[in-house]
Amino acid sequence: GQQLNQSPQSMFIQEGEDVSMNCTSSSIFNTWLWYKQDPGEGPVLLIALYKAGELTSNGRLTAQFGITRKDSFLNISASIPSDVGIYFCAGVNTDKLIFGTGTRLQVFP
Amino acid sequence: GAGVSQSPSNKVTEKGKDVELRCDPISGHTALYWYRQSLGQGLEFLIYFQGNSAPDKSGLPSDRFSAERTGGSVSTLTIQRTQQEDSAVYLCASSLLAGQYNEQFFGPGTRLTVL
Repeated sequence: GQQLNQSPQSMFIQEGEDVSMNCTSSSIFNTWLWYKQDPGEGPVLLIALYKAGELTSNGRLTAQFGITRKDSFLNISASIPSDVGIYFCAGVNTDKLIFGTGTRLQVFP
Repeated sequence: GAGVSQSPSNKVTEKGKDVELRCDPISGHTALYWYRQSLGQGLEFLIYFQGNSAPDKSGLPSDRFSAERTGGSVSTLTIQRTQQEDSAVYLCASSLLAGQYNEQFFGPGTRLTVL
């Protein structure tokens, strides 16, 4: 099935550092979503973006909906150990979500 | 509990056997979604239900895969004559109404291993 390109694939950072990841698509989406998945759990929604150019924050997380509607990025500031997990972007395509390939984040104390 | 539940949490089966995976959505949620997550990959849409009907079955990988939902609640995903490439985590999600992606809640998944 179709998947969005997400980068980087994995990141190993020190606690306190900022993190940036992005997601690109060859298709236009009208809604972008960012999820976090912990081991053995389903994804949990972090941020939803509905408008091209929109910049939205949720605590230490900030996400932007690209102006071309073909990309989005997620920033995490001042990372902490509980940020560890896999982060997925997703675009809404008519009646289903198209997910990115994921960014695995490891945070070292 | 109040969340989406799935059973079993883990299933190991032999190639060629049939398996049934169950999803209990959040009470009152009319929309139910099935996804497959292969190792190290993102989620791949399989099928969704609005009530008991499935408007979009386009993601089902082959005719060995089928799903049903009865009573507008519990859904079962059936894989017949399992193959090794069917090994994955199968995730279910529900939302109050179809299209409410910002209100779509996921279950913990069923990890299927086909030997």
